[in-house]
Amino acid sequence: LAKTTQPISMDSYEGQEVNITCSHNNIATNDYITWYQQFPSQGPRFIIQGYKTKVTNEVASLFIPADRKSSTLSLPRVSLSDTAVYYCLAWEAGTALIFGKGTTLSVSS
Amino acid sequence: NAGVTQTPKFQVLKTGQSMTLQCAQDMNHNSMYWYRQDPGMGLRLIYYSASEGTTDKGEVPNGYNVSRLNKREFSLRLESAAPSQTSVYFCASSKGLAAYEQYFGPGTRLTVT
Repeated sequence: LAKTTQPISMDSYEGQEVNITCSHNNIATNDYITWYQQFPSQGPRFIIQGYKTKVTNEVASLFIPADRKSSTLSLPRVSLSDTAVYYCLAWEAGTALIFGKGTTLSVSS
Repeated sequence: NAGVTQTPKFQVLKTGQSMTLQCAQDMNHNSMYWYRQDPGMGLRLIYYSASEGTTDKGEVPNGYNVSRLNKREFSLRLESAAPSQTSVYFCASSKGLAAYEQYFGPGTRLTVT
């Protein structure tokens, strides 16, 4: 079973831009890449979703290269409240939804 | 609008006991999912239901069964609980598969002794 792969952890300071990359080299042709945020003792919460190129919403941007084998979540000017675990989710060709193991982002002042 | 609700919130079972985790959504979503979350393993899909009347295996289905009772409800059953099933279980729902945002419930923390 192919996997999605993310860095286990990242550290940042308030006000910096944070980029988290996920590799998903067996993604289904027509399916989207989605990112979620999870705080302790809560279920994950949707952040952003895209199919190709770049998507931006009020909280993040998502960059997807032409081959779609990876994606990068960009969080501009992080704050302490962005400390959380971030997951990418892809639909793997022929099988099922595969979450990455998550990236724990720690933001310090 | 409660979103996705799960019962119970906490449960302790002895090895070999059975139980059913309940999940309900009030968003008129077609698709529903059950995940388990273990430390360092992220979220792993157990079963999903693309639409009412259908269920499919996910990444880790062994030891579990599911029932899509109606469009609102999707239950997860452990027939003979094992310590390896100690985990936090999340239910989620979405308008459709894959391309749609999933909404997650608050989770059920299950301990099997």
